[in-house]
Amino acid sequence: GAGVSQSPSNKVTEKGKDVELRCDPISGHTALYWYRQSLGQGLEFLIYFQGNSAPDKSGLPSDRFSAERTGGSVSTLTIQRTQQEDSAVYLCASSLVYSSSGANVLTFGAGSRLTVL
Amino acid sequence: GQNIDQPTEMTATEGAIVQINCTYQTSGFNGLFWYQQHAGEAPTFLSYNVLDGLEEKGRFSSFLSRSKGYSYLLLKELQMKDSASYLCAVMDSNYQLIWGAGTKLIIKP
Repeated sequence: GAGVSQSPSNKVTEKGKDVELRCDPISGHTALYWYRQSLGQGLEFLIYFQGNSAPDKSGLPSDRFSAERTGGSVSTLTIQRTQQEDSAVYLCASSLVYSSSGANVLTFGAGSRLTVL
Repeated sequence: GQNIDQPTEMTATEGAIVQINCTYQTSGFNGLFWYQQHAGEAPTFLSYNVLDGLEEKGRFSSFLSRSKGYSYLLLKELQMKDSASYLCAVMDSNYQLIWGAGTKLIIKP
């Protein structure tokens, strides 16, 4: 696609329910990233994919969080048994490759705003 | 630990110039990025600095001093559409991006 698409744009759920957030990256981008953005804080890295594999899962806050990517394209971030502290905007980004050169520009989606009541 | 500091909020007048500062302490350095984020929208790339000095791109310029752990984003001839948050991010030695909390820029007529 022309840009990074995320769905849903807004999700309100009850504490304890599971949620799935979807990211459709730019076609041909092999690297995909998930970040969490909370009010007044910097973007918090969650996980990245190079193709379908996730070399670095260190940012996932707890074992309630998981992510997968299939076909080198769409990714799903799943949060099980949601808690109120999970409320945030979840941003997805993609780049052509996971570059080691440093000049690795990310293209972001508009995010999924999650509210846990 | 790793830390990126930038002011929380700044106000400037339409047509004026504003400088948004960013200081960092990171494990290694592989470049510094500035992104712009309008409320409710995706962050978009503005600039990348890896060498000391000033990079100019139209109304926007970005400066880097690696020895001082310091960067600034300079916005000239401010327009109302420049009202947004400006995010500073540093790529560390592991090629991980460390993000500041962002500076919310308010432009007044």
